[in-house]
Amino acid sequence: NAGVTQTPKFQVLKTGQSMTLQCAQDMNHEYMSWYRQDPGMGLRLIHYSVGAGITDQGEVPNGYNVSRSTTEDFPLRLLSAAPSQTSVYFCASSRDGTQYFGPGTRLTVL
Amino acid sequence: TQLLEQSPQFLSIQEGENLTVYCNSSSVFSSLQWYRQEPGEGPVLLVTVVTGGEVKKLKRLTFQFGDARKDSSLHITAAQPGDTGLYLCAGAVTTDSWGKLQFGAGTQVVVTP
Repeated sequence: NAGVTQTPKFQVLKTGQSMTLQCAQDMNHEYMSWYRQDPGMGLRLIHYSVGAGITDQGEVPNGYNVSRSTTEDFPLRLLSAAPSQTSVYFCASSRDGTQYFGPGTRLTVL
Repeated sequence: TQLLEQSPQFLSIQEGENLTVYCNSSSVFSSLQWYRQEPGEGPVLLVTVVTGGEVKKLKRLTFQFGDARKDSSLHITAAQPGDTGLYLCAGAVTTDSWGKLQFGAGTQVVVTP
């Protein structure tokens, strides 16, 4: 099992550009989530999904879109990148209470 | 607004010393988890506590969930350099909210030889 994989590992964008952060899991987990981690802020929930076709907003959803067409994949889309979206992004999947995190994507928006 | 407040923010100790990290909230949580995160990696789950007053031990780590299920502590005995990392607490408000945990800001622990 690869667990939770995220691509890319690093990304630099210019303000206004769009991009998709990829997340995949091979553990057949129902729950998947996207968090952002900023210094002194811990992890904040962006969007989450309780199964294919079902998504909902977390604490900081503005500027991000998600979809869940399959159990395995949960991509995060930045529609028009802003410097405030500079952060480290973590995808996680969970079942029975244990969250498994991916290695993260470090995003810089100039 | 951070629902879970962790203290201290930073802790630097010598190998062999003991340390305690606290996680406090005014909200009640169905369960609380502790994670450790190392640089460049995602958090890794250490323990889940679900019952008020519960104490769990994991080798030199002792976790306690407060009686009112609003706070928790992590105690490390005889800390080692391998214990260095960012310790995060996270709470689930309901039993089916595993996909949307509330995280504290974390405590950075540095253990020097």
